[in-house]
Amino acid sequence: QSVLTQPPSVSAAPGQRVTISCSGSTSNLGNSYVCWYQQLPGTAPKLLIFDNDKRPSGIPDRFSGSKSGTSATLGITGLQTGDEADYYCATWDSSLNPGGVVFGGGTKLTVL
Amino acid sequence: QVQLQESGPGLVKPSETLSLTCTVSGGSISTYYCNWIRQPAGKGLEWIGRIYSSGSTNYNPSLKSRVTMSLDTSKNQFSLRLRSVTAADTAVYYCATGVAAPEFDSWGQGTLVTVPS
Repeated sequence: QSVLTQPPSVSAAPGQRVTISCSGSTSNLGNSYVCWYQQLPGTAPKLLIFDNDKRPSGIPDRFSGSKSGTSATLGITGLQTGDEADYYCATWDSSLNPGGVVFGGGTKLTVL
Repeated sequence: QVQLQESGPGLVKPSETLSLTCTVSGGSISTYYCNWIRQPAGKGLEWIGRIYSSGSTNYNPSLKSRVTMSLDTSKNQFSLRLRSVTAADTAVYYCATGVAAPEFDSWGQGTLVTVPS
């Protein structure tokens, strides 16, 4: 069972908008930045969002991130079939002595 | 971003030690946190730990008793050793770098390590 809770799956039609939630606690999301990763089938994860809401160079602005308290959200607009992937949130957890990275369980996005 | 490539045996016998190396090109490992992350087939990501150029390490508490990470700045490589492996350690192992956790902006392609049961 993951420290960060994500829905196992979400789905939406092409062109639509979808959000993926990530829920944690005060020892992790409540006190640390969140990152989001996209993992296309058979490939390594790719950084989508860092520092809660920043996009690395080359990531389209269709992807957005936000955080409030102990929860974070990834938003994807203008869905494309190429967005079908697993999405993971990650943060630092200070309850791990002396602290460490924790991931959500992952959310499978299906573009119908 | 830098380029990373994992290398090491794809098959490790139970109770033996898993050893992997990550070779970094396009940048110096001295400026990054160097991480290992694994993913069992069909499952999520698990952070194993990290090492910095100073030699300081952080390990996942669930694996800490079996893990050792090291780095060789002269070869721009960092390594993972996981002792006393079991079938539960079968996974794709990724190396990844970043300037701060949990930001991993460069990843290797991953290498599958199998521990037969």
